[in-house]
Amino acid sequence: TQLLEQSPQFLSIQEGENLTVYCNSSSVFSSLQWYRQEPGEGPVLLVTVVTGGEVKKLKRLTFQFGDARKDSSLHITAAQPGDTGLYLCAPRNTDKLIFGTGTRLQVFP
Amino acid sequence: NAGVMQNPRHLVRRRGQEARLRCSPMKGHSHVYWYRQLPEEGLKFMVYLQKENIIDESGMPKERFSAEFPKEGPSILRIQQVVRGDSAAYFCASSPGGGAGDTQYFGPGTRLTVL
Repeated sequence: TQLLEQSPQFLSIQEGENLTVYCNSSSVFSSLQWYRQEPGEGPVLLVTVVTGGEVKKLKRLTFQFGDARKDSSLHITAAQPGDTGLYLCAPRNTDKLIFGTGTRLQVFP
Repeated sequence: NAGVMQNPRHLVRRRGQEARLRCSPMKGHSHVYWYRQLPEEGLKFMVYLQKENIIDESGMPKERFSAEFPKEGPSILRIQQVVRGDSAAYFCASSPGGGAGDTQYFGPGTRLTVL
């Protein structure tokens, strides 16, 4: 059984602060995707990481895939209210994505 | 480019009725996945289909649930004799291939409420 944990579960911060959320597993994965989901909507893909140690940047978001491909992190610089949402990591080995319960981020103006 | 389309967006059924959820994948995508999200829980994989084939149904409940992806038309997730516990958001995703490196793109979901 693959154990997938995302932390923290909840995060409330002020606009302009930096934050990091984590995705950890006991298993090695071929790839990992990060999604953001807003209430009433489907998950929207942010990034796919494939190579151990890979770092990808998307404006103020920095994603890193662990060297051993068992964990990942998402760092947001100078958070804005528009970053509010549920952040889901979804590792993948085969056809299906495995989702954690996510990190609920609230950014206050 | 149109994304993954799902309809209806909201569906209300009484206990014992049937629910049919439709998913049209992105253009050029022949792989479809269904996930279920119960209130306050993460998304759980249900089934993976290619055109006219079920590839992996390991997440499907054994009874009342079925899925198809015909040669023509959308993928259908069918729930027979719905019960209150079936109330959830059902998401469809599509990808161009089925490999671990192929990105899955999600639709907006169908929110099923069973009265």
